[in-house]
Amino acid sequence: GQNIDQPTEMTATEGAIVQINCTYQTSGFNGLFWYQQHAGEAPTFLSYNVLDGLEEKGRFSSFLSRSKGYSYLLLKELQMKDSASYLCAVLDSNYQLIWGAGTKLIIKP
Amino acid sequence: DTEVTQTPKHLVMGMTNKKSLKCEQHMGHRAMYWYKQKAKKPPELMFVYSYEKLSINESVPSRFSPECPNSSLLNLHLHALQPEDSALYLCASSQGEEYNEQFFGPGTRLTVL
Repeated sequence: GQNIDQPTEMTATEGAIVQINCTYQTSGFNGLFWYQQHAGEAPTFLSYNVLDGLEEKGRFSSFLSRSKGYSYLLLKELQMKDSASYLCAVLDSNYQLIWGAGTKLIIKP
Repeated sequence: DTEVTQTPKHLVMGMTNKKSLKCEQHMGHRAMYWYKQKAKKPPELMFVYSYEKLSINESVPSRFSPECPNSSLLNLHLHALQPEDSALYLCASSQGEEYNEQFFGPGTRLTVL
């Protein structure tokens, strides 16, 4: 079957760095997405990785290792507005997006 | 225009009502999606339209009926829903099915009484 695992909840301090991990087992792989979703709102796109390595975009970076079925989202200089759920999603061989359950990130002052 | 719009934002309906959710995008995207999302769960794919044709129907009950009148519009017709159908209904679009960076609308919060 297809499976995407990420921690249910994480807590971090304002100004700090946090890494949210995602491991996946899917039928094929055509890329991995990270989305941010604030409570009651729609998901918004953060990053897309299809090749191994680190993609940096401002305070957010995303890493992919296809051989390990592993990705992480790194958030630096945390701000209170970063409190949200972070969803990892993999595009499988049928180009269907398989979603993880999401990681709720709580930022404390 | 880089957004997906959805109407209404909130909808309360009885189990015997018929209503429709609407979604619109003007980004020239050729794939459009309906998702259902319950609280604290990831989005669940319901339907995918690619080039105005239904390409994926994820075993959704017939009380949900999608319609794609043209490449910019996507509707979801609702009839005889159950209270467990109460959820956030999200519409999304992407350039095509193969590159799946999906842009999401704000969603319709549906409550079935």
